[in-house]
Amino acid sequence: AQSVTQLGSHVSVSEGALVLLRCNYSSSVPPYLFWYVQYPNQGLQLLLKYTSAATLVKGINGFEAEFKKSETSFHLTKPSAHMSDAAEYFCAVSPGFQKLVFGTGTRLLVSP
Amino acid sequence: GAVVSQHPSWVICKSGTSVKIECRSLDFQATTMFWYRQFPKQSLMLMATSNEGSKATYEQGVEKDKFLINHASLTLSTLTVTSAHPEDSSFYICSATNRQGAVETQYFGPGTRLLVL
Repeated sequence: AQSVTQLGSHVSVSEGALVLLRCNYSSSVPPYLFWYVQYPNQGLQLLLKYTSAATLVKGINGFEAEFKKSETSFHLTKPSAHMSDAAEYFCAVSPGFQKLVFGTGTRLLVSP
Repeated sequence: GAVVSQHPSWVICKSGTSVKIECRSLDFQATTMFWYRQFPKQSLMLMATSNEGSKATYEQGVEKDKFLINHASLTLSTLTVTSAHPEDSSFYICSATNRQGAVETQYFGPGTRLLVL
């Protein structure tokens, strides 16, 4: 079964600092991987997705993620954090049949 | 594009009553919609997959007679929580798929918060 593990339920950074949110996946087949962001009391918004094309994926709001097969990782990064980036971030893998399996989420806290 | 709406955004009901939640794809036709449940500070758990014109497929442990799903058109799916109880209080989120290339991308609604008293 496919799954994702997000290390760290909370990540705190200062405004302007590098953002790094970790995601490791488990899959027996080449996976489709996604990062979603959730603001309080809202649904999820797609940040970016990996679909076996380029290993470095650029998303919205300055985020990007790199697929590393050797490390089974798909970490999310942003060079400079903004206050508006504070939210919950979910990594997800698609096991096929259009389904998504989500990680437990990482709450990003940005301090001024 | 690819906007999904839900109605209502929040609902409070008495124990034993039924609640219907609507999920609409506003600017695209969605052959498949998904229903998720999210408890506080937890991740999203898939409840069921809904295909237009056919019966929904429920995940293991989800009672199909309690969570009735109807997908009558390519833009509307409904989830009815029957005989709701306090333990059904949760954040219910739907998503709809929009094929882009070879990959189906799920677009999520804003969610419906249900509180059962």
